[in-house]
Amino acid sequence: QVQLQESGPGLVKPSETLSLTCTVSGGSISAYYWSWIRQPPGKGLEWIGYIYYGGTTNYNPSLKSRVTISVDTSKNQFSLKLTSVTAADTAVYYCAREAYTAMWVFDSWGQGTLVTVSS
Amino acid sequence: DIQMTQSPSTLSASVGDRVTITCRASQSISSWLAWYQQKPGKAPNLLIYQASSLESGVPSRFSGSGSGTEFTLTISSLQPDDFATYYCQHYNSYSRTFGQGTKVEIK
Repeated sequence: QVQLQESGPGLVKPSETLSLTCTVSGGSISAYYWSWIRQPPGKGLEWIGYIYYGGTTNYNPSLKSRVTISVDTSKNQFSLKLTSVTAADTAVYYCAREAYTAMWVFDSWGQGTLVTVSS
Repeated sequence: DIQMTQSPSTLSASVGDRVTITCRASQSISSWLAWYQQKPGKAPNLLIYQASSLESGVPSRFSGSGSGTEFTLTISSLQPDDFATYYCQHYNSYSRTFGQGTKVEIK
């Protein structure tokens, strides 16, 4: 059974870059979409973007100018970079796998990691 | 961009009640809709995909229906484990969009 684990700093200063990595174990990173999703405290889910294992990316238009998602298939990892962060970027960040079951669905998730933007 | 709007935002119900949550899309999305359940402090869990297909292992009291712009998630007889927040989610070839969520509370 595939497992996903987010890692990275829990505290980022305003205007700096948030960087997170998701390590995939128990399965290959190939043939799936891999997404980052975030959830501000007490609020709903926001899709940030995805990368296909071959490198194709797509981002939420509201974040597109600040987001980069990359993949390292040799390490079975994918990563998120979000630049110029503000307090509004404080959230639990989830990595998730999309599998095709008649449609692409988020079938596996990491446990989530809280990132706080504060000086 | 397609917007997904859920109603109600909060729902108070008792064990055994039949519960219905609605999700509306700003334009037709065919049946490209999924439903997830999220409990506090946990990642969401897939319940329904393609509007009405039950994910393996999900209790049969959960069902989904709809197509086009209006969709519903129904819990036929609410159980204690079902008190949670529910999200609809649309997918297309370039984007994924969540509804704002519906919290099901104990009445």
